Amino acid sequence: AQSVSQHNHHVILSEAASLELGCNYSYGGTVNLFWYVQYPGQHLQLLLKYFSGDPLVKGIKGFEAEFIKSKFSFNLRKPSVQWSDTAEYFCAVNALNFGNEKLTFGTGTRLTIIP
Amino acid sequence: ETGVTQSPTHLIKTRGQQVTLRCSSQSGHNTVSWYQQALGQGPQFIFQYYREEENGRGNFPPRFSGLQFPNYSSELNVNALELDDSALYLCASSLGGQGSNQPQHFGDGTRLSIL
Repeated sequence: AQSVSQHNHHVILSEAASLELGCNYSYGGTVNLFWYVQYPGQHLQLLLKYFSGDPLVKGIKGFEAEFIKSKFSFNLRKPSVQWSDTAEYFCAVNALNFGNEKLTFGTGTRLTIIP
Repeated sequence: ETGVTQSPTHLIKTRGQQVTLRCSSQSGHNTVSWYQQALGQGPQFIFQYYREEENGRGNFPPRFSGLQFPNYSSELNVNALELDDSALYLCASSLGGQGSNQPQHFGDGTRLSIL
């Protein structure tokens, strides 16, 4: 069975700092990878996704993530964070060999941006 | 385009009772997935419905059951409620099918509290 690890539980940064949130998954087959964001009081929203092709994917609001297959990683990055990026971030994986779109989520990283 | 809507938003039940949660999928979507998100955790996959048939199930007991209707809306039923069932229940819809590679879109969730 697949699993997802997000090692940073709570990250606190000042505005304009650079961000990198770690995500590692365990599954030997082909996967689709996702980052979802949950702003306070809102529903989960898709930030970006990787299905195939260029391992560096760009999402909304200046976020990007790099898929490194050899490291089973899909880390999220942003060069300069804003106060409005304060939210909970979830990495998720869909293993393609099971014939459904089950998402396995990590436990999430709470990001707090200090103005 | 109407997003995923869930009802009710909040619900309080007592142990042993039964509950039905409802989800209307986003227009054009034929697949609905249900997730349980306990406090401080990532969403956990309960099951998925594709074209009215169950298409994958997570590690949840049989007292968690579901339905999908011809209009692709869905219900999650939980019997014999236990204290540990207290959680946020999320519904996500997508345009499914083999190789569809479409991301899931989430509703706001139903907050279920068991007393």
